[in-house]
Amino acid sequence: AQSVTQLGSHVSVSEGALVLLRCNYSSSVPPYLFWYVQYPNQGLQLLLKYTTGATLVKGINGFEAEFKKSETSFHLTKPSAHMSDAAEYFCAVCEDTGRRALTFGSGTRLQVQP
Amino acid sequence: GAGVSQSPSNKVTEKGKDVELRCDPISGHTALYWYRQRLGQGLEFLIYFQGNSAPDKSGLPSDRFSAERTGESVSTLTIQRTQQEDSAVYLCASSLALAGGYNEQFFGPGTRLTVL
Repeated sequence: AQSVTQLGSHVSVSEGALVLLRCNYSSSVPPYLFWYVQYPNQGLQLLLKYTTGATLVKGINGFEAEFKKSETSFHLTKPSAHMSDAAEYFCAVCEDTGRRALTFGSGTRLQVQP
Repeated sequence: GAGVSQSPSNKVTEKGKDVELRCDPISGHTALYWYRQRLGQGLEFLIYFQGNSAPDKSGLPSDRFSAERTGESVSTLTIQRTQQEDSAVYLCASSLALAGGYNEQFFGPGTRLTVL
């Protein structure tokens, strides 16, 4: 069984500050890891994913995440927050077997203060 | 269209009524998923279709929930005798065939279901 824990349901940062959204997972097999973003009244959009290879992955809008197997973590970062980054962010995991359905964390709502 | 579409975008119904939600996947995508997103929570897997194989229904929360898919096209999710706890956003996603590795799931905008 796999699970995802996102620490902090709400995170508030100032514009220009570092964004750090935490994600820890559990999985019985090497997982695929994802971050999705959901803007108000919009669908889910893939920010970035880790499948194999380099553990530091870069996504859209300046976001990146690092897969740390020893810590079972996949934290999302962005060096400088922009007002347009305000949204809900979901970490997700799937195992490379069977149906490959995604298991999601409960989400972190990011607020960016001017 | 280019993306996954879902209808209706919003549905308000009375407790005990049946509802049917529709998903049009991206053309050529053989894998189709239904997820449910309750308020303040992440998405929960409901059901998975892959080509002509038997669907994986392991995520359906009760026998009031069912889904069908015709070939590799439209899917409908039916909820019978709706309850207030069924209120949620129902999301559909589709992807290319699963042949090793990972194929990105593309999500539709969802159907917001409110059961009064």
